[in-house]
Amino acid sequence: NAGVIQTPRHKVTGKGQEATLWCEPISGHSAVFWYRQTIVQGLEFLTYFRNQAPIDDSGMPKERFSAQMPNQSHSTLKIQSTQPQDSAVYLCASSPGQDERLFFGHGTKLSVL
Amino acid sequence: QQQVRQSSQSLTVWEGETAILNCSYENSAFDYFPWYQQFPGEGPALLIAIRSVSDKKEDGRFTIFFNKREKNLSLHIKDSQPGDSATYFCAAHASSGSWQLIFGSGTQLTVMP
Repeated sequence: NAGVIQTPRHKVTGKGQEATLWCEPISGHSAVFWYRQTIVQGLEFLTYFRNQAPIDDSGMPKERFSAQMPNQSHSTLKIQSTQPQDSAVYLCASSPGQDERLFFGHGTKLSVL
Repeated sequence: QQQVRQSSQSLTVWEGETAILNCSYENSAFDYFPWYQQFPGEGPALLIAIRSVSDKKEDGRFTIFFNKREKNLSLHIKDSQPGDSATYFCAAHASSGSWQLIFGSGTQLTVMP
């Protein structure tokens, strides 16, 4: 079991470019979560899916951010027209579904220049 | 308004001492409280968790003490080791609400040899 896999580990984009972050949850886990981590804001919830369906996106910035889960083996977080304030570590986590345990990936460090 | 608060940004103890990390919360609906441990360059990993029906949970050298009336809890790390040096996040979840964990800002623990 490789755990939650996030790619790429690091991504550097220019201001205004698009960034797509990938997450492969642990096989058999029914829920997938996205969090953003910065020094200033800490760990912020963005969105989550259960059985591939979007359940709660209350933490997602309304513009420019979108998340999808087209199949049970991967989820993507897309940021359009990236801004320097989007620079953060984006963490994906999955959960087996029977309890509240979250298993996090190593994260993708996004740097917007 | 911070829903989950960790009063200490950092804590330093000597090897062999008991490290005590404190956490408080605002929302009375929270009923599940995990602690996550994070090393640099990695995602947070679940360390130990307690439900609000209990006042103590022990797992090896790690113990959570929970006070529902005061809305606070603490993580005790007995016989601290240099390998315990990491950032520790207190989190909270309300089973009646959305399945998102609310994280505190973290306490960076340093164990001096």
